[in-house]
Amino acid sequence: SQQGEEDPQALSIQEGENATMNCSYKTSINNLQWYRQNSGRGLVHLILIRSNEREKHSGRLRVTLDTSKKSSSLLITASRAADTASYFCATASGATNKLIFGTGTLLAVQP
Amino acid sequence: DVKVTQSSRYLVKRTGEKVFLECVQDMDHENMFWYRQDPGLGLRLIYFSYDVKMKEKGDIPEGYSVSREKKERFSLILESASTNQTSMYLCASRLRWGTLRHEQYFGPGTRLTVT
Repeated sequence: SQQGEEDPQALSIQEGENATMNCSYKTSINNLQWYRQNSGRGLVHLILIRSNEREKHSGRLRVTLDTSKKSSSLLITASRAADTASYFCATASGATNKLIFGTGTLLAVQP
Repeated sequence: DVKVTQSSRYLVKRTGEKVFLECVQDMDHENMFWYRQDPGLGLRLIYFSYDVKMKEKGDIPEGYSVSREKKERFSLILESASTNQTSMYLCASRLRWGTLRHEQYFGPGTRLTVT
């Protein structure tokens, strides 16, 4: 079952612009994580935000979490061509913190 | 850095064959996972293992089994491959339960085609 749903499904921007991706989920969570996947490769963990946190930063990444709306957003500032990838949110729930992934946002950064 | 390796990047098998996908991690992680990734469906959990010789079904275990005889190695077995098991298979590991280190580390994936 899908927990996270990303929006938009695809996004195309110019280098230097900011990219914002949104994730909505259905049930209560322990934490929410964002991953990046370059074409045809494995996923790379980007950032984790816990359910009691509202905002977190890591380099050019900014993640927000609104548990009342069951939603999160990932902002990539000053995007680069190398940021071109698919981005997935994943929610961790329950005693095992099993991850449930969304369907992803495909980001294309044009040089 | 954690390194997770998978035995093959591409694999082509025939319907009915028994298929083994191997995954090895080198950072003494206790938890390991197998996912499959299909367009429009994201990643779905097939099986996971908390520790050696332990396994739990994920969301789509039908047609698959797993083996974890050593801590560093987690194998996914397709008992009798079918065309609907054509997919990208991703292995991941995580440090352990009960820590604050919840992130998972992924291998490069195996693209399996069943003909």
